[in-house]
Amino acid sequence: GDSVTQMEGPVTLSEEAFLTINCTYTATGYPSLFWYVQYPGEGLQLLLKATKADDKGSNKGFEATYRKETTSFHLEKGSVQVSDSAVYFCALNTGNQFYFGTGTSLTVIP
Amino acid sequence: EAGVAQSPRYKIIEKRQSVAFWCNPISGHATLYWYQQILGQGPKLLIQFQNNGVVDDSQLPKDRFSAERLKGVDSTLKIQPAKLEDSAVYLCASSLTIRTGSYEQYFGPGTRLTVT
Repeated sequence: GDSVTQMEGPVTLSEEAFLTINCTYTATGYPSLFWYVQYPGEGLQLLLKATKADDKGSNKGFEATYRKETTSFHLEKGSVQVSDSAVYFCALNTGNQFYFGTGTSLTVIP
Repeated sequence: EAGVAQSPRYKIIEKRQSVAFWCNPISGHATLYWYQQILGQGPKLLIQFQNNGVVDDSQLPKDRFSAERLKGVDSTLKIQPAKLEDSAVYLCASSLTIRTGSYEQYFGPGTRLTVT
């Protein structure tokens, strides 16, 4: 069935380091792909999305490119800040169903 | 605009008791979702409504879980009777509609349920 596999955490980085969180998916058809972020004590928020192959989603310095050939949607940021500390979820939508990964906890230290 | 509202924020019950959660989506959002998020896991979709009709409830344990959205606005999710494994955060989300391709979901803060 359809699913999302996400890089396990936790991830700890120093401020200004480069971030990559890997996400791969399995889906029939042509899913839409998302990254959601959950800051401490808050609900999930959409960070970025891509609805077709080769689309690049971007927001707040984060980017992810929908790669159909590798079934991937890796999240990247060139220079992380302390305020980026949160849990990041990769997700896909296909038909009426939404599937989330298990989440990757990121801690950025000054 | 006001976000998705959920209540209560926290609930502790004993196993075999009943519990209900309430959700009020963003005004004008036709689609409403209930998710279960067990600690250390990603959210799992339980049920999806389009207005007051059920679009998908394939992952809802119907022997003990029920949900309704009678007037196409707010919704309740009920568990009766609760089991220990129901301990989780229950998330409500809404989106404008699934038909136009606008799949962005807006999530509420969740209700943390502990079953003892």
